[in-house]
Amino acid sequence: QQQVKQSPQSLIVQKGGIPIINCAYENTAFDYFPWYQQFPGKGPALLIAIRPDVSEKKEGRFTISFNKSAKQFSLHIMDSQPGDSATYFCAATSNTGKLIFGQGTTLQVKP
Amino acid sequence: NAGVMQNPRHLVRRRGQEARLRCSPMKGHSHVYWYRQLPEEGLKFMVYLQKENIIDESGMPKERFSAEFPKEGPSILRIQQVVRGDSAAYFCASSLTRSNEQFFGPGTRLTVL
Repeated sequence: QQQVKQSPQSLIVQKGGIPIINCAYENTAFDYFPWYQQFPGKGPALLIAIRPDVSEKKEGRFTISFNKSAKQFSLHIMDSQPGDSATYFCAATSNTGKLIFGQGTTLQVKP
Repeated sequence: NAGVMQNPRHLVRRRGQEARLRCSPMKGHSHVYWYRQLPEEGLKFMVYLQKENIIDESGMPKERFSAEFPKEGPSILRIQQVVRGDSAAYFCASSLTRSNEQFFGPGTRLTVL
């Protein structure tokens, strides 16, 4: 019940494409859902986050869509660029401080 | 405004030695979290500390691992008698409050020979 399942494991898109990464959770107590971006050899960087009282949040080229009834949320990257090539992690928490991470998605954006 | 700082960035230890990993949170942050990332895997929660207190250590192995966050100074993750399976990247994160965003440091990459 504490798991967050993330898919796909890897993704390849052309420059300008819109990669979509999906996550699903079981624990209905989760109330905060961040996305992190990680480059090789670096720490995860907070990208965007959402709480379940909204169905969508947009920051720049990054959009989170949230479906509370389905217990799913997804990250869309508009107009993707080669510099977006990285590993993306979704996560969830329930005000316990403990982030539960998905398994990660390795994104490659081809020029 | 400096971010989360971790040192050392790389640490090599032989089996049976001790590893000490240090984390200085962002200025003003009193909540510290440690996560472990094994090769080709996601991040796994280890422990959550607030100044001088361990709030949640449910992700810590029962033996050889300990963590502290003293009133003064950085948070320390200590691994005694390291084994090859301890080889991983260890990340520290900090937040302003329990429910705020967590910001991660660059990590310490531990290699056990």
